[in-house]
Amino acid sequence: GAGVSQSPSNKVTEKGKDVELRCDPISGHTALYWYRQSLGQGLEFLIYFQGNSAPDKSGLPSDRFSAERTGGSVSTLTIQRTQQEDSAVYLCASSLYTLDQETQYFGPGTRLLVL
Amino acid sequence: AQSVTQLGSHVSVSEGALVLLRCNYSSSVPPYLFWYVQYPNQGLQLLLKYTSAATLVKGINGFEAEFKKSETSFHLTKPSAHMSDAAEYFCAVRRSGGYNKLIFGAGTRLAVHP
Repeated sequence: GAGVSQSPSNKVTEKGKDVELRCDPISGHTALYWYRQSLGQGLEFLIYFQGNSAPDKSGLPSDRFSAERTGGSVSTLTIQRTQQEDSAVYLCASSLYTLDQETQYFGPGTRLLVL
Repeated sequence: AQSVTQLGSHVSVSEGALVLLRCNYSSSVPPYLFWYVQYPNQGLQLLLKYTSAATLVKGINGFEAEFKKSETSFHLTKPSAHMSDAAEYFCAVRRSGGYNKLIFGAGTRLAVHP
């Protein structure tokens, strides 16, 4: 079946602009996660959704970052007033449930470059 | 707090040689441990995971890992490296009890030369 998809695959923007990154999880997966992969910080957790609610948003680096999930499916990560330090690969993952041993399946990522 | 340390940011082996990628974890409660692989310009793919059912875990592509509580380690091994194994490997920990996020190590880039 189809895996996790993300769009766009690459995004170049100017400092100060807003960007939206989209994630389509595997059909039927109730849990959705956003991570960020950058040279200086490695792989960092950003936010987790169970259904449409976000029980854990502890990894969002600032109030410029927000995310929502609608219909228990698609999620959008929005970065307002982008800064150069936001340049990174943003990875989305989904899992069927939220059991401890549950495998998270990752999408290919969106590579964001802020000029 | 959970944490993961991967010793060696770069490992280079010859084709056919043993692959050993090291991972040590820190956890105050029994952890769930994962190894993921990332090929260039791709997302992460699960290699294997430890969920307390067995200490020796076999994964895809001939990889395996052994959970050693006394050493707080979960090293990844493969008896014979292939050129196609060249990639970045990440060890991750997930705390039991409903904490869902994965905590990743810094990653180890594996190079395989002829």
